[in-house]
Amino acid sequence: SAVISQKPSRDICQRGTSLTIQCQVDSQVTMMFWYRQQPGQSLTLIATANQGSEATYESGFVIDKFPISRPNLTFSTLTVSNMSPEDSSIYLCSVLWGHPNQPQHFGDGTRLSIL
Amino acid sequence: DAKTTQPPSMDCAEGRAANLPCNHSTISGNEYVYWYRQIHSQGPQYIIHGLKNNETNEMASLIITEDRKSSTLILPHATLRDTAVYYCIVRVASKAAGNKLTFGGGTRVLVKP
Repeated sequence: SAVISQKPSRDICQRGTSLTIQCQVDSQVTMMFWYRQQPGQSLTLIATANQGSEATYESGFVIDKFPISRPNLTFSTLTVSNMSPEDSSIYLCSVLWGHPNQPQHFGDGTRLSIL
Repeated sequence: DAKTTQPPSMDCAEGRAANLPCNHSTISGNEYVYWYRQIHSQGPQYIIHGLKNNETNEMASLIITEDRKSSTLILPHATLRDTAVYYCIVRVASKAAGNKLTFGGGTRVLVKP
């Protein structure tokens, strides 16, 4: 399976600021996704990152708050905008390549704390 | 995608087989069963998946009942490193359906010496 790298691995940010998280894969993938895992909770899908077009957001997530880019088949970014303490979470990138029945694979996530 | 039901927690003895149940009574014919686990401070790790037939790989075995309404993940010889939260997920494997994963609460497995 491919290597999925997320940067930064963790950060502590001030409220009102924005942070961009990068997800880099070492081979071309079919689909890329962004998930959020709030403290003590399970994972929730934020959006599907579409190459060359706007991301597809899940209910409760909006582009102004979580702008996403995917300029090519191996790279995507998620920005958490105007952060508040409620945004303190782990943000995870996952990728899918090959046939749609193949499993998604996850990076190790970005641990974000907002003061 | 169909919902899944898993016990919130279970303990297993080191060296013994661990059998993790999952109920997915509303599964449809084109939905696959996927198992992931999440060890503390790491991203979810894919374990195994299947549609109808039982599956086995180097990590585990997946037993799916004939009516597909439930499945069991078997870790043949549990080790302390298998302590994790295990997620059973059902999804339609198609680009049109979005290939999304919906995570439930999972089963918190504690392997004891």
